[in-house]
Amino acid sequence: DIVMTQSPDSLAVSLGERATINCKSSQSVLYNSNNKNYLAWYQQKPGQPPKLIIYWASTRESGVPDRFSGSGSATDFTLTISSLQAEDVAVYYCQQYYGTPYSFGQGTKLEIK
Amino acid sequence: EVQLEESGGGLVQPGGSLKLSCAVSGFTFSGSAMHWVRQAPGKGLEWVGRIRSEANNYATAYAASVRDRFTISRDDSKNTTYLQMNSLQSEDTAVYYCTKVATGTTASGYWGQGTLVTVSS
Repeated sequence: DIVMTQSPDSLAVSLGERATINCKSSQSVLYNSNNKNYLAWYQQKPGQPPKLIIYWASTRESGVPDRFSGSGSATDFTLTISSLQAEDVAVYYCQQYYGTPYSFGQGTKLEIK
Repeated sequence: EVQLEESGGGLVQPGGSLKLSCAVSGFTFSGSAMHWVRQAPGKGLEWVGRIRSEANNYATAYAASVRDRFTISRDDSKNTTYLQMNSLQSEDTAVYYCTKVATGTTASGYWGQGTLVTVSS
């Protein structure tokens, strides 16, 4: 099974500053036949279900602000929020959907400094 | 508009059973794989399992923690997927979400609001 590990577990960033969250998979989630990384990022606010914000490691879901970006390949991935806004306070999860069981990282709690 | 609504949660004793339902609308259910994800109180997300479409032989897959105890099924005529949970343990206490993949990917783009299952005596 693929194990997903996020870092850090929590992060405090000032408004308008950059936030960076890392995600590492125990094996590659890059499917060579289509050159796609089967890696997604979700945002979860208190009392709400998770919301998909990035898929294929770097494709923003429709309606997601362009301050959110995803990068990386194979086993190492990054979610970047270029200029933190108050509404970005949430827990962020990465997930691999390369193979079952699909697995999530443990989550990163993002707060305002 | 895609909508997913879970139901069937509640309090159950250890060793007991419960069946959750997820009724959907706003998309062609019969052609869609459906997933279940759970979240224990104050904890992270755990993928529970999925069921694929008829075209993919209704193939199921499960997390190791629930395999042999949980069963996912679907009724395409009712636009509903189910999660049958047997031999429930305290560690199964969680909010259970059903999800549908987003367009153009197999990541979970649509989520229900979840239903809480509490396993306690």
